Amino acid sequence: GAVVSQHPSWVICKSGTSVKIECRSLDFQATTMFWYRQFPKQSLMLMATSNEGSKATYEQGVEKDKFLINHASLTLSTLTVTSAHPEDSSFYICSARTIYEQYFGPGTRLTVT
Amino acid sequence: QKEVEQNSGPLSVPEGAIASLNCTYSDRGSQSFFWYRQYSGKSPELIMFIYSNGDKEDGRFTAQLNKASQYVSLLIRDSQPSDSATYLCAVNWRTGANNLFFGTGTRLTVIP
Repeated sequence: GAVVSQHPSWVICKSGTSVKIECRSLDFQATTMFWYRQFPKQSLMLMATSNEGSKATYEQGVEKDKFLINHASLTLSTLTVTSAHPEDSSFYICSARTIYEQYFGPGTRLTVT
Repeated sequence: QKEVEQNSGPLSVPEGAIASLNCTYSDRGSQSFFWYRQYSGKSPELIMFIYSNGDKEDGRFTAQLNKASQYVSLLIRDSQPSDSATYLCAVNWRTGANNLFFGTGTRLTVIP
């Protein structure tokens, strides 16, 4: 299957700082990538849909000015958590879609202290 | 309100038994259905997908879809302890729709 990578796999940052997470499709081009957030023992919640060359589409309740998404190329999307706070601590997972299937990156565990 | 519902479990089965995981969805027009497995602390991995009514088999896994009942299931034959994980059902509401809606997952434990 298709491979999606994320970097970093885990990050600890101080409250008020910003963190950037990268998502790459390694062996295919993805015009659309997705960013999910998962809190402990909960399911994946879609945050936003990232389209190459255009603005991301955010789900209701997700602050677009706090979670900045850039889809600079067909293989790279980035999520920047700005002015992070402890409540932003979560497991952030990106995914990329082929024609029929959606593949997930390994996730980034963010801890804000 | 579109919904994907799963029994959160935990579901426990003995090693070698058949594990049956169920999922219902609210939108009758849904087109495609996916089962993902997620180990603790890891991201989901695709097990299989199904588009048409009936059964689809892949190794020890069988997905069953009944669009009239808005029901999709996953059977795991000869369950192994390594199958212990959370299984997520996901639905793509429309053909060409861009993303998946996930159920909350069913936690499966296979007892050696």
